Amino acid sequence: DTAVSQTPKYLVTQMGNDKSIKCEQNLGHDTMYWYKQDSKKFLKIMFSYNNKELIINETVPNRFSPKSPDKAHLNLHINSLELGDSAVYFCASSQQGAGNTIYFGEGSWLTVV
Amino acid sequence: AQSVTQLDSQVPVFEEAPVELRCNYSSSVSVYLFWYVQYPNQGLQLLLKYLSGSTLVKGINGFEAEFNKSQTSFHLRKPSVHISDTAEYFCAVSDKGNTPLVFGKGTRLSVIA
Repeated sequence: DTAVSQTPKYLVTQMGNDKSIKCEQNLGHDTMYWYKQDSKKFLKIMFSYNNKELIINETVPNRFSPKSPDKAHLNLHINSLELGDSAVYFCASSQQGAGNTIYFGEGSWLTVV
Repeated sequence: AQSVTQLDSQVPVFEEAPVELRCNYSSSVSVYLFWYVQYPNQGLQLLLKYLSGSTLVKGINGFEAEFNKSQTSFHLRKPSVHISDTAEYFCAVSDKGNTPLVFGKGTRLSVIA
């Protein structure tokens, strides 16, 4: 069973479209994250939710809106896609606490054309 | 705020040779330190982490790392690499509060037959 699963794995879409990436974890964790990895492999946190509450919201355009319907799910919706949004988006989860291991999904490759 | 510097963006090494991937961090407080590995087209997985105690930490796949507080370093080592170790390696730091995990820019390890 995949611990952190995200769909779709690959997404190619045109500029201006709206798209969503879904994420689910079956590890019983209380904290979920979205990370963005750019073409140079740089990994940066976008959002973090703990028990469905937003606790970290880094400097991200408000076209990006996370939604957590329950502790096991954290979806990412992106409005009005731009070329610069092309990246790999990773969902992750952990138990709250700085020393706890973060478990990552396999990534969603978004290409905006 | 904490930051991480991975001094080498690429490290080529012959199979069965030893390797060291360097990581330095800066933080004004006590930290937790992590090494993650990313195989091609996959998410990140934890290799090892330092929380407290012994400064020599052993991880999966024969990797180990040594925490050196005076040099603010957490270098990753393996005495004999395999082709299958070819991947991107990320050092990360977290303080002991609720600030997010901060990743370095990654080191691409290429093992040559």
